[in-house]
Amino acid sequence: DAGVTQSPTHLIKTRGQQVTLRCSPISGHKSVSWYQQVLGQGPQFIFQYYEKEERGRGNFPDRFSARQFPNYSSELNVNALLLGDSALYLCASSLGSDRAYGYTFGSGTRLTVV
Amino acid sequence: AQSVTQLGSHVSVSEGALVLLRCNYSSSVPPYLFWYVQYPNQGLQLLLKYTTGATLVKGINGFEAEFKKSETSFHLTKPSAHMSDAAEYFCAVRSNDYKLSFGAGTTVTVRA
Repeated sequence: DAGVTQSPTHLIKTRGQQVTLRCSPISGHKSVSWYQQVLGQGPQFIFQYYEKEERGRGNFPDRFSARQFPNYSSELNVNALLLGDSALYLCASSLGSDRAYGYTFGSGTRLTVV
Repeated sequence: AQSVTQLGSHVSVSEGALVLLRCNYSSSVPPYLFWYVQYPNQGLQLLLKYTTGATLVKGINGFEAEFKKSETSFHLTKPSAHMSDAAEYFCAVRSNDYKLSFGAGTTVTVRA
């Protein structure tokens, strides 16, 4: 079975640009979460979606937005990129939103803002 | 509120020696606790988790962790380190349904 897949794996953007990151969860998983991992730090929660609805939002500015599609895949959008947005963006999927369910993480998208 | 503190950002051990990574948490409700491993340029892989029940949890690759409520700790151990254990390790707590809170991570180096 395929794991959590993220695309692209790497990308470079210029300050002020917009970026869209994509995530496909494990088949049968209905919940997708996004995390930002800045170099040398632990991942920070951005969003959780379950059944296409936002269930939680972390402490990130409104420049960050996301959505989940009927097939449970998800996109993370970041507008007006700043140098500080450079990070590894991780997508995680789980069967449901209950906290007993473990997350399976993808390999991430490495975003560099120049 | 929930948070995690990992004591020691870097740990160096000899091959065959005990690996001990320390994690303390705070949580307003009974926590669910996790340890993840991250190899260079990869995502996070779940090593083990504690939800309810037995407080000693066994995971993959010979790792185990013990939940101690009185000490608010969830330390990770492995009796004998292998070169392949060199990686970054993250402790995480989940107190509600939607958010994992991670520690800052501990980098493990294994000396031959």
